[in-house]
Amino acid sequence: RKEVEQDPGPFNVPEGATVAFNCTYSNSASQSFFWYRQDCRKEPKLLMSVYSSGNEDGRFTAQLNRASQYISLLIRDSKLSDSATYLCVVTRGGGFKTIFGAGTRLFVKA
Amino acid sequence: ETGVTQSPTHLIKTRGQQVTLRCSSQSGHNTVSWYQQALGQGPQFIFQYYREEENGRGNFPPRFSGLQFPNYSSELNVNALELDDSALYLCASSLVGKDEQYFGPGTRLTVT
Repeated sequence: RKEVEQDPGPFNVPEGATVAFNCTYSNSASQSFFWYRQDCRKEPKLLMSVYSSGNEDGRFTAQLNRASQYISLLIRDSKLSDSATYLCVVTRGGGFKTIFGAGTRLFVKA
Repeated sequence: ETGVTQSPTHLIKTRGQQVTLRCSSQSGHNTVSWYQQALGQGPQFIFQYYREEENGRGNFPPRFSGLQFPNYSSELNVNALELDDSALYLCASSLVGKDEQYFGPGTRLTVT
């Protein structure tokens, strides 16, 4: 079992739709959580950090449930420009380590 | 743009050869991490450098080694290249104590 797991998709949604991505992690010692966005053949870019209290940035909302070891990302009012791969990321100390999920592919269509 | 730069952008090597990839971190960032990303997969953590020392390592063999210099720039060295080493190699910089990382554009390595 992978330490960070995501539904690979692809998710195909129309413009204006709301879409949700889920991610689970297996190591309870994980300390920081993020969502990154990666466009085709480009580097990952930080989208947002994820906190237990929830984190909202415009159309994007991220949530962390430490008890269930579950992270989510909600995108409201999808735009064509949201089409990308969304990567769930977890870090832990004790010898620093960052673990990326394999990513969830999103296609937003007109 | 993040300000993280990598060189070269593309590289073709033969199996058994050695390669050195370079990374300059974003201004003010003192920590550098390296990742390997195979096609269709998420980046895999290779190692992190802080204060010119390895600060954490993923599941990569010793033939993957690195350096960090006093100006925080870094090198990734891979010896005895294998076909499976073909991938996008990403460098990311951050501030110590801050887990947000900012990536460079990557070096695409092809091993034939």
